[in-house]
Amino acid sequence: EPEVTQTPSHQVTQMGQEVILRCVPISNHLYFYWYRQILGQKVEFLVSFYNNEISEKSEIFDDQFSVERPDGSNFTLKIRSTKLEDSAMYFCASSGQTDTQYFGPGTRLTVL
Amino acid sequence: AQSVTQLGSHVSVSEGALVLLRCNYSSSVPPYLFWYVQYPNQGLQLLLKYTSAATLVKGINGFEAEFKKSETSFHLTKPSAHMSDAAEYFCAVTLNTGGFKTIFGAGTRLFVKA
Repeated sequence: EPEVTQTPSHQVTQMGQEVILRCVPISNHLYFYWYRQILGQKVEFLVSFYNNEISEKSEIFDDQFSVERPDGSNFTLKIRSTKLEDSAMYFCASSGQTDTQYFGPGTRLTVL
Repeated sequence: AQSVTQLGSHVSVSEGALVLLRCNYSSSVPPYLFWYVQYPNQGLQLLLKYTSAATLVKGINGFEAEFKKSETSFHLTKPSAHMSDAAEYFCAVTLNTGGFKTIFGAGTRLFVKA
């Protein structure tokens, strides 16, 4: 069964460093998303991406964040200058023409 | 504004007992409603979804949920809890905003006692 994959599973970085989180969505899906979950809190929407552009973003997704689909398979989330409060689990998701999103296993980002 | 409220951050049941996890939503348009399950240190797994075809929706692992428009509820149930059901459960509403944006409830952690 096709699934969304994410790498790395755990990323540790120093405050102020740039990180790139990678995702491989399900191959025939057209919509891509990033969510985050701070430890002990709910899952929060960050951004949705369709047709090579952002279709919607939340107030969390400020200028420090960017997304890209650099090739036909990967979907990345970049955080330019990480802050302590960026520590969270980041989930990638994808969907086809339907409403159902399929989530990856997540990348745990720890900012020291 | 659309929102999802899950009543009870923690629910504890005995093995074999009924599981009832409550979810209420607010949405200005007909909602797409979902339940996801998250096992420790894992991602989000889709349990079931409501997309207006039927008000009673059956999902995986013996779970089901009933959509009640008059109560704006989408409660999750399972007749008999199993130890393996212990996990965090999230109710969510997905909005068609050009893409599909999902808003999650705060989650309910289910404990199952032997």
